[in-house]
Amino acid sequence: GQQLNQSPQSMFIQEGEDVSMNCTSSSIFNTWLWYKQEPGEGPVLLIALYKAGELTSNGRLTAQFGITRKDSFLNISASIPSDVGIYFCAGQLGGSQGNLIFGKGTKLSVKP
Amino acid sequence: EAGVAQSPRYKIIEKRQSVAFWCNPISGHATLYWYQQILGQGPKLLIQFQNNGVVDDSQLPKDRFSAERLKGVDSTLKIQPAKLEDSAVYLCASSLDLGVRPTGGGYTFGSGTRLTVV
Repeated sequence: GQQLNQSPQSMFIQEGEDVSMNCTSSSIFNTWLWYKQEPGEGPVLLIALYKAGELTSNGRLTAQFGITRKDSFLNISASIPSDVGIYFCAGQLGGSQGNLIFGKGTKLSVKP
Repeated sequence: EAGVAQSPRYKIIEKRQSVAFWCNPISGHATLYWYQQILGQGPKLLIQFQNNGVVDDSQLPKDRFSAERLKGVDSTLKIQPAKLEDSAVYLCASSLDLGVRPTGGGYTFGSGTRLTVV
């Protein structure tokens, strides 16, 4: 089946540092999404990207839809303790009626 | 607006027993999804409904899993009989229309039901 390769698998950073994570695939997606999941909760949408090359920000978060439509990255600037959680990328294939393909997640730990 | 409601939050059963999960999507959302999230993995789609019709159930293990959305609102996912490998979080999500659209935003997920099969 379709796969998204998400990296890194985990990150341990100091409060105030910037963070970068990415997803790549061999398939072309028409939509890229970034979600955050905290323990005991469902994923919460952070940013949605709909066009190749699109760069979108949401507060301290910035994400880009790769030109090839096969990759995306998420940056978090000036991390704070509440950024802790698991970040998932998800892609929707062209022609798909809604099935989102998820990466395996990046677990972020922030040391105060 | 109220979010996606799921119950129960936790369930522990023995293998070969049956179990059912319930989901109430956001009001007005036509599309409802059930995802399975195994520990350490991203969610994987099991079944997708548009109103009360099935859009995609290609990844649903139909020998043991079933789901219905009889009136196009609430949905129930059932496992019978359960296996050890069914231990996972079962997430329900809903969206205004089919999939993710710029005009409709993304999915909204519920908090999930954590199933442990022993």
